[in-house]
Amino acid sequence: QQQVKQSPQSLIVQKGGIPIINCAYENTAFDYFPWYQQFPGKGPALLIAIRPDVSEKKEGRFTISFNKSAKQFSLHIMDSQPGDSATYFCAARMGSARQLTFGSGTQLTVLP
Amino acid sequence: ETGVTQTPRHLVMGMTNKKSLKCEQHLGHNAMYWYKQSAKKPLELMFVYNFKEQTENNSVPSRFSPECPNSSHLFLHLHTLQPEDSALYLCASSQAGQSLGETQYFGPGTRLLVL
Repeated sequence: QQQVKQSPQSLIVQKGGIPIINCAYENTAFDYFPWYQQFPGKGPALLIAIRPDVSEKKEGRFTISFNKSAKQFSLHIMDSQPGDSATYFCAARMGSARQLTFGSGTQLTVLP
Repeated sequence: ETGVTQTPRHLVMGMTNKKSLKCEQHLGHNAMYWYKQSAKKPLELMFVYNFKEQTENNSVPSRFSPECPNSSHLFLHLHTLQPEDSALYLCASSQAGQSLGETQYFGPGTRLLVL
């Protein structure tokens, strides 16, 4: 029930492509869904987050789509650039709990 | 220094050694966390400190011992580790009590190799 399943494990796209990373969860008590971006040698950094009362959120080239009935959410990167090459983690948290439950990560490579 | 800093950045130790990892946050936060990151696995939460009090311990073996002397500093004391403990250890902090979107800020991590 606490697990967040993330796919794919790795993804390679050409510059300008739109990579899509998917996550699914079981626990309907989750109410906060952040995405983190991690570059080599760095810790994860918050990229964008969504709550289940909205179906989509955009920040710059990054968009989260949320499907509450399917218990799935995804990250889309528009006009991807080589500088977007990183590992992306989805996560989920319920209520005021401190604990974030993370997905296993997706290693994205954007080719020039 | 800004954000969350961790020292050392890299550590190699034998199974009989005792070492400590240090984390310092310069963000004025009141909650701090230790995570373990292994290749192709989700980040594993190890410990949570809220206002210097340990609030969560996710079944972590006793060979890992956390210490939080104040809200800005967090240590992870290591002793008699096993090779499978080799991983990236990440520290994070947040401002507990925010009702919406409490963001965790991560340090760069300590890459630990146990021989």
